[in-house]
Parts: sequence; C-alpha cells; structure tokens
Amino acid sequence: RKEVEQDPGPFNVPEGATVAFNCTYSNSASQSFFWYRQDCRKEPKLLMSVYSSGNEDGRFTAQLNRASQYISLLIRDSKLSDSATYLCVVNDAGGFKTIFGAGTRLFVKA
Amino acid sequence: DAGVIQSPRHEVTEMGQEVTLRCKPISGHDYLFWYRQTMMRGLELLIYFNNNVPIDDSGMPEDRFSAKMPNASFSTLKIQPSEPRDSAVYFCASSLVGYGTEAFFGQGTRLTVV
Repeated sequence: RKEVEQDPGPFNVPEGATVAFNCTYSNSASQSFFWYRQDCRKEPKLLMSVYSSGNEDGRFTAQLNRASQYISLLIRDSKLSDSATYLCVVNDAGGFKTIFGAGTRLFVKA
Repeated sequence: DAGVIQSPRHEVTEMGQEVTLRCKPISGHDYLFWYRQTMMRGLELLIYFNNNVPIDDSGMPEDRFSAKMPNASFSTLKIQPSEPRDSAVYFCASSLVGYGTEAFFGQGTRLTVV
C-alpha cells in the first residue's frame, strides 16, 4: 500500500462547478498535512496547509479526518485557472520526511 | 531572494555517462530535499539534508545515485553511470524548518538519458 494515495483523475469539470479531491494516508502517526498545486511542467507550490479543525482560503476548503486517515480539498466556483495537478502531502511522525501523493489532475473547461 | 535555483534546466546525456545536478537553496533554510518525478511513480523523495548533513537517503534508488551538500548554499545530485530509466524531472526543495512548514521548490532539471 502506498503511503499517500490519491485518485489520479483526471477530473473534467465546467467553470463554476464544485469539485472535491480525497487523499488517504497509511501512517496514523503522521503529523502535518498540505495540499500543493503543480501546473504543467512547473514546480509544485504550496496551496494550503490542512488543520485538524478544517480550514478555508477563499474558494478552497481543506479538511482532515484523522480517524479515517484521509484529507480532502474542496474547490468551489471552479475557474479555468484552477486547472492543474493537486498533490496531497503528508509529513511523517518526525515531521521531516515529506511524502507526496501522485497527484490528481483537474481540467476546468469553459 | 531568487528562490531555489537548480541547474541545468535540461540535460540530455548518453547512457553510461555521469550526470551532476546542482541546487542552491534559499538562504537561511535548514533543510534541503531532492525529489524525482515521473509519470509512473509521481514525486519521490530521494534524500534530504539538515544543516548540510544527510538525514535520510532511503529513497535513493541505488548506488549509482549520490548526493552531497558541502555547504549551506550548495548541493549536488550525481548519477554515475546514468541509465535510460533515470530519465525524469529532478526537483530540489528547501525549507526553513522541516516540521510542518512549506517546502519551496526549484524549477527542476529535466533529465533525458538516451
């Protein structure tokens, strides 16, 4: 079993749609969680951290369920510019080893 | 700050040749990470350093790969000898403190071994 698993997609959605991505992790002792975004042929960049209480940044909402060991990302009112690959990221219990999921590709169409 | 700087951006080499990838982390960052990205395997952590010391190299695929960090502003990833299956994008990233903080990535080196 992979340490971090994501649905690879692709997700094809129209502008304005709401789309959700899930990610599961295998190590119950994992401490910190993130979503990164990677545009085609570019480097990954931090989108948002994921806190236990859930957190929101504009159209983006991230949630963590420790009991079930999954993380989610919700994008509301999708824009064309949201088209990218979204990477789920987990830090191990020591906090230093960063494990990336394989990513979920999103295409937003006009 | 210019961010994490990697060189070269693109490298094409013949099988069996030595390849050296270079990285300059963001000044003041304590941690440096080397990742490899392929379509098949996604983004894999190869090795990371803390204060120039290698902490975990369990992701290095085999002895043909080696990494060094002689000082706080420079790191290299070397492949000797290179093989076609090493073709990938290699990213270097750095962070201020490893635990729970953002890792900033360089633009990557796209390696093609023919």
